[in-house]
Order: sequence, then structure tokens, then C-alpha cells
Amino acid sequence: SQKIEQNSEALNIQEGKTATLTCNYTNYSPAYLQWYRQDPGRGPVFLLLIRENEKEKRKERLKVTFDTTLKQSLFHITASQPADSATYLCALANRDDKIIFGKGTRLHILP
Amino acid sequence: EPEVTQTPSHQVTQMGQEVILRCVPISNHLYFYWYRQILGQKVEFLVSFYNNEISEKSEIFDDQFSVERPDGSNFTLKIRSTKLEDSAMYFCASSENSGSTDTQYFGPGTRLTVL
Repeated sequence: SQKIEQNSEALNIQEGKTATLTCNYTNYSPAYLQWYRQDPGRGPVFLLLIRENEKEKRKERLKVTFDTTLKQSLFHITASQPADSATYLCALANRDDKIIFGKGTRLHILP
Repeated sequence: EPEVTQTPSHQVTQMGQEVILRCVPISNHLYFYWYRQILGQKVEFLVSFYNNEISEKSEIFDDQFSVERPDGSNFTLKIRSTKLEDSAMYFCASSENSGSTDTQYFGPGTRLTVL
């Protein structure tokens, strides 16, 4: 069955450094990969989408890479700030309306 | 900025009772979704709805669940006979185009507690 793994349950990063989160998947060939942010008790907030034929996408301090050979996506936050502390979700989709989420990585940016 | 709204924010019900969770998607959106998140677990896709019919559903979305767009603004999820394991946060989402390829906007969620 399809499986998504996000590298660790929790990640502590010093303020100002780059945070790198990993999403690996198996038994799936997604056409699209999305990253969301979720704060406690709130709904996910869409951040970035990358297509299978794209290697990299950037948005302000965020960068996503997508390697379909390794079946992996990396999500980077540069110049991290305490306000970036949240859970980050990786989600996979094909050309239908069904989206599969990973369990998420809790990121803590330490001041 | 337009947003997805959901009511109620918290629903407590007895096992076996029917519940209806309500959502108002963003007005020009065409695709609607329900997800659930059991406490401490991942967000799980339940169903997608487009052009007044279900376009995709997961294994979780069995005969106990149904969705409806009763008018031009509301999108509802009904659970006919709730079970203890239905306790979760239920999120509604909407998108202008298919959510696979476009931004999905999530509502704040309804916390369902089944006693």
C-alpha cells in the first residue's frame, strides 16, 4: 500500500539556521507533491506545490525539491524564525482528487 | 480574504446518533473535500465532491457517511450512526480547480466527540 514517511516526529533548529524536512514515499508515483503547515488545533495551510516534472520550487524563504527517482522531497526554510514553529505536512496527489498526507514533522525553532 | 467556515466548532454526541457537520466553502470554488484527523494522527482524506457528485472517496467513507450540497453555499457531511472511533477533527476544504493541482483552503475544523 502507499506509504509516506516524514523524517522525524520532531526537529529542533536554532533560529537563523536552515531547517530541512524530508518526505519519502513508497508504492506510489505522484504527479504532484504539496507541503502544508498546521498549527495546533487548526486546519492545514497550503504552502507549496511541485509537479513531477519540476525539480525545485521556491517561495520567499521556502524551497521544495522533488526527486522522483529517490521518491523523496526536501522542504527547506531558510533564515528560520520562532514563528516558523509548527507541524509541516507532506501530501501526495495524482490526477484525481484524492490527496494522501504524511503524519507531519513538528518543527521547533529555538530562539 | 475569503475563507472556509465550519460549524459547529465542537460537537458532542452519543454513540449511535446521527450528526451533520456543516461547511461553507469559498464562494467561487468548485471542488469540495472532507478530511478527518484523529488526535495525534495524520490528516486522512474522506471524500471529494465536484459538479454535485462524489468524485473520489476513501475506504473510510463507508455507507455511514454521506455528503450533500443542499444549496449554493453549504456543503455537509452526515454520519448516520456514530461510533466511538468517529471521534476526530473533521476538516472541510475547497479549491477553485482540482485540489491535486491547486491550492486547497481548509476550514478551522469541527471537533467531533462521540461518547
